[in-house]
Amino acid sequence: GQQLNQSPQSMFIQEGEDVSMNCTSSSIFNTWLWYKQDPGEGPVLLIALYKAGELTSNGRLTAQFGITRKDSFLNISASIPSDVGIYFCAGYNAGNNRKLIWGLGTSLAVNP
Amino acid sequence: NAGVTQTPKFRVLKTGQSMTLLCAQDMNHEYMYWYRQDPGMGLRLIHYSVGEGTTAKGEVPDGYNVSRLKKQNFLLGLESAAPSQTSVYFCASSGAGTPRDYTFGSGTRLTVV
Repeated sequence: GQQLNQSPQSMFIQEGEDVSMNCTSSSIFNTWLWYKQDPGEGPVLLIALYKAGELTSNGRLTAQFGITRKDSFLNISASIPSDVGIYFCAGYNAGNNRKLIWGLGTSLAVNP
Repeated sequence: NAGVTQTPKFRVLKTGQSMTLLCAQDMNHEYMYWYRQDPGMGLRLIHYSVGEGTTAKGEVPDGYNVSRLKKQNFLLGLESAAPSQTSVYFCASSGAGTPRDYTFGSGTRLTVV
């Protein structure tokens, strides 16, 4: 099945550092979503993006919907230990039985 | 408001045994999904349902069956478990509006020995 190219695959950073990750696709999406999965839990929505070029923030998180509609970026500023987890991007187009197309995830570890 | 509830949370099966994983949602969502998550492979869709009484195959359906007899419940069955089905299984549900209401359960960790 189709999957998005998400990078990096993993990151190990020091507390206080900024983090950037991105997702690319060979096809266009109308909606991009970013999720976080805490250890032992299911993914939880962080940010949803609906318009090309859109830049949306949620606290220390900022995500952008690429102009080409084939990519999206997530930045985390001033990382803290509770940012640890797996971050997933997902693309969505209406009419696909509401199925999301997923990236493989970015695993983030934060050293206090 | 419980959202999406999965039972059981953990299970160990012997090869060849059968079991059913239950997913229940209380958000009146039309759509429900079963995923499996394996290290380095992200979330892979097993089966999904677009409404009560309907089911459809996802990306990796072999070895699994599903049923959606009631709108709020989506059952995933393993008829003859294999070690390759050792995984973490997630159920999700979604309404008919924007995809931001896509909600996951907390997962079932299944080990087949």
